[in-house]
Formats: sequence, C-alpha cells, structure tokens
Amino acid sequence: AQSVTQLDSHVSVSEGTPVLLRCNYSSSYSPSLFWYVQHPNKGLQLLLKYTSAATLVKGINGFEAEFKKSETSFHLTKPSAHMSDAAEYFCVVSALTDSWGKLQFGAGTQVVVTP
Amino acid sequence: DAGVTQSPTHLIKTRGQQVTLRCSPKSGHDTVSWYQQALGQGPQFIFQYYEEEERQRGNFPDRFSGHQFPNYSSELNVNALLLGDSALYLCASSQDRDAETQYFGPGTRLLVL
Repeated sequence: AQSVTQLDSHVSVSEGTPVLLRCNYSSSYSPSLFWYVQHPNKGLQLLLKYTSAATLVKGINGFEAEFKKSETSFHLTKPSAHMSDAAEYFCVVSALTDSWGKLQFGAGTQVVVTP
Repeated sequence: DAGVTQSPTHLIKTRGQQVTLRCSPKSGHDTVSWYQQALGQGPQFIFQYYEEEERQRGNFPDRFSGHQFPNYSSELNVNALLLGDSALYLCASSQDRDAETQYFGPGTRLLVL
C-alpha cells in the first residue's frame, strides 16, 4: 500500500520569494511521484513526475521537486513565486507494480501569494 | 488537440435519484479513471476502465458503476444518491503503457439535496 502526507495545509508567501511545499510518501514498491496543481474551479494540471530516472525533476512554470529516498520525501520548490501560483497543490504517489496507476492523493496544500 | 472533456459541468439532484456523468479522454488515450473530490479534500480513486472493462476499484460501494465504450469514452453512474455524494467528480485519461501519467478533465460538480 502507498500513501502521501503533505506536511502543510496552508502556505503563504510573498510574490518574488521562494516557495516550498513539503511531501512525505510511503510505498511498498518503488514509487512514481507526482505534483499536481488545481486552480479554483479548474481541473488538475500535472506539474511534474518522478520515475527514478533522476532525483531532481523539473516541471512546468519553474517548479522542481527533489526525490530523497533516505527521507522518503518529495518536496516541491520554486525560486520566485508569482501571483498566478496561488492554487491548491497535491502530492501524489502511484505504485505501478501494485495497481496499474491508481493514484493516491495527499490532502493538498493551499498556496496564497501576497503582493 | 482537445484534452479531457466532461459533461455536464454542474448538476443538482435530490436524494435517491440516479445520475450519469460523461467523459471523453484525450486523443490517443485508452484508459479512463474516475475520482471523487469532496470539498477541501484530495481526490479519491473510484475505478479505472481499460478495454471496456473495470480493471481496478477503490473503496466505493456498488452504487457507483461505470462503463467504457469502444471509442474509449466513459460514463460514471451513481444510484440512490446520498447527501454525501455531493462532490467534484474528476475523469482522468492515460495510455495503458503509461497508465499512471494521467490527465484530468475539469470535472463535474454534483450537488445532492
């Protein structure tokens, strides 16, 4: 079985400052990990995906995430927040060898960006 | 290239009624998964369809059923609606060879009164 824990339910940052969203995972198999973003009244957009090729994964809109097996973490970062980054972010785990891509979502982190 | 589309966008039903939600996958995708997202929570996996068969299922009662058509589009049916079924229902499509990389539609917001 697999699961994810997002350590912060809300994060508030000033425009132009770094963003850090924390995620810890648990998986019986080598996991694939994802970050998705959901803007208000919109569907989920895939930001990036980790599948063991490289521990540092670059995604869209300047986001990147680092996989740390020893810490079972997959934190999402962005060097400089933009107003358009205000949204809900979900860390997601999939253990493909276990379940054909059944995605397990975290509870989400709401990001607020202040001018 | 159209992405994943869902219809309707919003729906209001009363307890005990039945509802059908529809999803068209992204072009080239053959696998459809359905998720329920209650307010303030992350999406929960309902089931996944591939080759017109339910391939796997989450912890949802039999009131939730689905179908996949030969053109890969899919329906989610919910019978005997409960107040607790009020949620955003999300459809995601993928290719079987990469089933975990899923692209989501905008969702159908269901309100049960």
